[in-house]
Amino acid sequence: QSVVTQPPSASGTPGQRITISCSGSRSNIGSNTVNWYQQLPETAPKLLIYGNNQRPSGVPDRFSVSKSGTSAYLAISGLQSEDEADYYCTSWDDSLKAWVFGGGTTLTVL
Amino acid sequence: QVQLVESGGGVVQPGTSLTLSCEASGFTFRAFGMHWVRQAPGKGLEWVADISSDGTRTYYAPSLKGRFTISRDNSRNTLFLQMDSLRPEDTAVYYCARDATWVFDHLGQGTLVTVSS
Repeated sequence: QSVVTQPPSASGTPGQRITISCSGSRSNIGSNTVNWYQQLPETAPKLLIYGNNQRPSGVPDRFSVSKSGTSAYLAISGLQSEDEADYYCTSWDDSLKAWVFGGGTTLTVL
Repeated sequence: QVQLVESGGGVVQPGTSLTLSCEASGFTFRAFGMHWVRQAPGKGLEWVADISSDGTRTYYAPSLKGRFTISRDNSRNTLFLQMDSLRPEDTAVYYCARDATWVFDHLGQGTLVTVSS
């Protein structure tokens, strides 16, 4: 069982706004920055968004994040078919002294 | 542009050892910490280990400490992961990743390790 929990799946229709949650504890999300990765089918993960809504070059501002206590959220607005992918959150855990990943959320665009 | 190219994967028997390499280019390798992250078939991502830019500090996933060793050769722009006493549950794609201060900002394409008799 992951230290950080994500819903295994999410779905939405084109143009819709969806949110993926990432739930942890005080020792990880509650104390440290959260980063999100996107993994398209059959490809390596790539950094999607990190820290305080910082996006690598090329990532559209349709992707945004927020954090509240020990949970973090990835929001995708104006959903597109190309957004179909697995999404992972990660954070450093002060107690484990290790990086922890959420189990991943598979996003389906209906 | 940043490039990370992993190599060294393959099919090995349980109990044996294997060393993975990650050749870096497009950035000043010696200035960045580096990580290994793995992904078992059909599963999620798991952090394996990291090493400081000068190689003097290393950290490991608690479940792996003692079997895996991360190292680097800054003169060759190369990161290594030595894996001993391999188990079937170590079967995964292994990615190297660059550390840009509390974020893995680039990952390679990965190399597949299969542990099977």
